[in-house]
Amino acid sequence: GENVEQHPSTLSVQEGDSAVIKCTYSDSASNYFPWYKQELGKRPQLIIDIRSNVGEKKDQRIAVTLNKTAKHFSLHITETQPEDSAVYFCAANATNTGNQFYFGTGTSLTVIP
Amino acid sequence: DAGVTQSPTHLIKTRGQQVTLRCSPKSGHDTVSWYQQALGQGPQFIFQYYEEEERQRGNFPDRFSGHQFPNYSSELNVNALLLGDSALYLCASSLDRWGGPTVLTFGAGSRLTVL
Repeated sequence: GENVEQHPSTLSVQEGDSAVIKCTYSDSASNYFPWYKQELGKRPQLIIDIRSNVGEKKDQRIAVTLNKTAKHFSLHITETQPEDSAVYFCAANATNTGNQFYFGTGTSLTVIP
Repeated sequence: DAGVTQSPTHLIKTRGQQVTLRCSPKSGHDTVSWYQQALGQGPQFIFQYYEEEERQRGNFPDRFSGHQFPNYSSELNVNALLLGDSALYLCASSLDRWGGPTVLTFGAGSRLTVL
């Protein structure tokens, strides 16, 4: 089955700096890659996603890049703010063959004011 | 729109007991998936229900079972509880779309503690 690895497990940045979180996947059938933000004690919320027919997607300060050949995708947050502090999860899904999402182990991001 | 609602929010059980968790999907969604999230880990897929049937199952024992009702709500049952079943149980609803990506909407979860 699919294996999703996520790095780093913790990340601290100064307010205004950029943050990058990286994930790798193993199953070439995976073609949909969402990112979730989970604040302490709250539900995971979708913040951005990308399909395998696209190499990059951007939404204001958040962007995701995908390298299908290398089987890795990354989340980029620019101009970080204290409210960006949360745990971020990447996930992979093969829309044609399964309904199961495989999640990474999460990255705890702390933005220092 | 109330989104995905789960109950109870917290519960404490002892080893060997049974538990039932409930989920109401987001309005307009017809598919419910259940995930287990251990402390400090990412969610792990338990199973998915669509049209009142289990459509896919993750690597969880038969002690974990579920049900989906005609109104699309769902229950997760866990029998013979073990200490290792302590986790946050997340329900995620979605709309089944042939050929398209499944966008999950999560509930806030049910925090189960097994003593």
